Amino acid sequence: GNSVTQMEGPVTLSEEAFLTINCTYTATGYPSLFWYVQYPGEGLQLLLKATKADDKGSNKGFEATYRKETTSFHLEKGSVQVSDSAVYFCALSSYNNNDMRFGAGTRLTVKP
Amino acid sequence: DTAVSQTPKYLVTQMGNDKSIKCEQNLGHDTMYWYKQDSKKFLKIMFSYNNKELIINETVPNRFSPKSPDKAHLNLHINSLELGDSAVYFCASSQEVGGGGDEQFFGPGTRLTVL
Repeated sequence: GNSVTQMEGPVTLSEEAFLTINCTYTATGYPSLFWYVQYPGEGLQLLLKATKADDKGSNKGFEATYRKETTSFHLEKGSVQVSDSAVYFCALSSYNNNDMRFGAGTRLTVKP
Repeated sequence: DTAVSQTPKYLVTQMGNDKSIKCEQNLGHDTMYWYKQDSKKFLKIMFSYNNKELIINETVPNRFSPKSPDKAHLNLHINSLELGDSAVYFCASSQEVGGGGDEQFFGPGTRLTVL
């Protein structure tokens, strides 16, 4: 079945550091890929998405490219801020599944 | 306007009690979901409803019973609460059934604590 594996956290960075959170997936067909962010005490919000191979999703300085050859969708940001501290979830959905599969989540803490 | 709302935000109750969590979405979506998030932030799908019909029912104890009076509402009723039910429960909605590249919109969550 479909599944998502993302790097375990927690990840702690200093402000303005470069961020990468790895995500790989297993799926039949051509899934759509997502990154969601959960700020403390809140629900999940969509951060970015990509619906086909080689698409790049971007939002708020975050980027991720849908790589079919490596089945990956790594999240990157060039310069993190304290306000980026949150839990990040990689997820996929596909036409042959009735649900969205989430990774285990990666907690990011950015220190001033 | 709140897109997906849940009530209550916090719920503290004794073991053995019965409780309900309500969810409403004003996005006009056809599909709604319930997720359970444990203390390690792991998200697990519990149920999915499409146009008031049950689509997904993961391995969840039958003490949990979803009810969808109309496609804008999906309530979760829990009987005989147990300590292990303590978690944050999220409601979500999407236009399509799971797939098709549609994002899911999440409610703010209900933190259930069973004492």
